[in-house]
Amino acid sequence: AQKVTQAQTEISVVEKEDVTLDCVYETRDTTYYLFWYKQPPSGELVFLIRRNSFDEQNEISGRYSWNFQKSTSSFNFTITASQVVDSAVYFCALSEAGNAGNMLTFGGGTRLMVKP
Amino acid sequence: DAMVIQNPRYQVTQFGKPVTLSCSQTLNHNVMYWYQQKSSQAPKLLFHYYDKDFNNEADTPDNFQSRRPNTSFCFLDIRSPGLGDAAMYLCATSRGAGDRYTFGSGTRLTVV
Repeated sequence: AQKVTQAQTEISVVEKEDVTLDCVYETRDTTYYLFWYKQPPSGELVFLIRRNSFDEQNEISGRYSWNFQKSTSSFNFTITASQVVDSAVYFCALSEAGNAGNMLTFGGGTRLMVKP
Repeated sequence: DAMVIQNPRYQVTQFGKPVTLSCSQTLNHNVMYWYQQKSSQAPKLLFHYYDKDFNNEADTPDNFQSRRPNTSFCFLDIRSPGLGDAAMYLCATSRGAGDRYTFGSGTRLTVV
């Protein structure tokens, strides 16, 4: 069975600091998809990134970057020069390719607090 | 803009009084999901529809039902809400295997 672990339940940083959110996953499938979602205080989950298991290329989008390493089953998310608006709960999630319904397994989430 | 819309944003219901939450989408996605999220927890899948095929999670209480009358709409019915059902209810859609989810803004349910 699949599992996603976000060991950091809460992180507090000061604005402009860099911060990395960890995500470790377990799956028996060779083809799977990994996601990060952001949930601000308003409650709506916002899609950030999707990665398939065959694409280990790291990605950068503005201040956000993602490091996917199959060897360690990790998909970590780094925010560079954090801002107060980055304060939110961040969820890492996994779906397996054989899963037509595309059900996501979520990690427990990491609450990020960025202080001015 | 194509989107997922949930109504109402906040819902207060009485203990034991049936309540229906609604979700609509303009994305024409095949799959619609209902998640329950309690405070400081990850979203928990209740059920999903792949087109007209209904799929219930094994641990979803019988008190919860869902209807999808057409591609665009999906409803969550709670037959006899208890205090433990107070939560945020999130609707989401996707095109199927491997696709990203698009979430609605959620309905926060309070049971009094």
